[in-house]
Amino acid sequence: GAVVSQHPSRVICKSGTSVKIECRSLDFQATTMFWYRQFPKKSLMLMATSNEGSKATYEQGVEKDKFLINHASLTLSTLTVTSAHPEDSSFYICSATRTSSLNEQFFGPGTRLTVL
Amino acid sequence: AQSVSQHNHHVILSEAASLELGCNYSYGGTVNLFWYVQYPGQHLQLLLKYFSGDPLVKGIKGFEAEFIKSKFSFNLRKPSVQWSDTAEYFCAVNAKNRDDKIIFGKGTRLHILP
Repeated sequence: GAVVSQHPSRVICKSGTSVKIECRSLDFQATTMFWYRQFPKKSLMLMATSNEGSKATYEQGVEKDKFLINHASLTLSTLTVTSAHPEDSSFYICSATRTSSLNEQFFGPGTRLTVL
Repeated sequence: AQSVSQHNHHVILSEAASLELGCNYSYGGTVNLFWYVQYPGQHLQLLLKYFSGDPLVKGIKGFEAEFIKSKFSFNLRKPSVQWSDTAEYFCAVNAKNRDDKIIFGKGTRLHILP
């Protein structure tokens, strides 16, 4: 159990367009979902924490108007990169925690975003 | 603020060699500690975790880690590595009873020569 999926796995878009990435917990209800960004040869950088039905909490330096997070249900969170620019190209990873095992995060496979 | 340091960025070993990857964290309170592994082309997976109790934690695939509170360390070990252990390893820390946020180290890329 505790499977997290992301869609799409890979997306290429033109500069100025918006891209939506979905994160789903397939076999459990996620208390909290997290969005990370992973730069090449670097660690995961936490972007924001989202709880179902409430506004996401963004980490310092992350623009909330650029990276819109919607946590509509206990199994789905979406990250929308608005007006994407080439510097937004990165690997975006989501994770989720479940009520029965707080502090343990289950990670999705990631989404590779390339902005041309 | 919490932070995690992994001292080895890239480690190359031959099969059957012993492995120890260093991890130190900075946080004055009680912590939960994790090691995650990312195999090539795959997503992050939990290798092992320490929440409380025995400071020597055993994980999957023969890995273990020892929490030494006085040294703020949580080093990962394996007595005999295999080619299939080639992956990136991330140490992570969570401040217990504060929130669910996990802070990751920068990762150690492990390359095992066959």
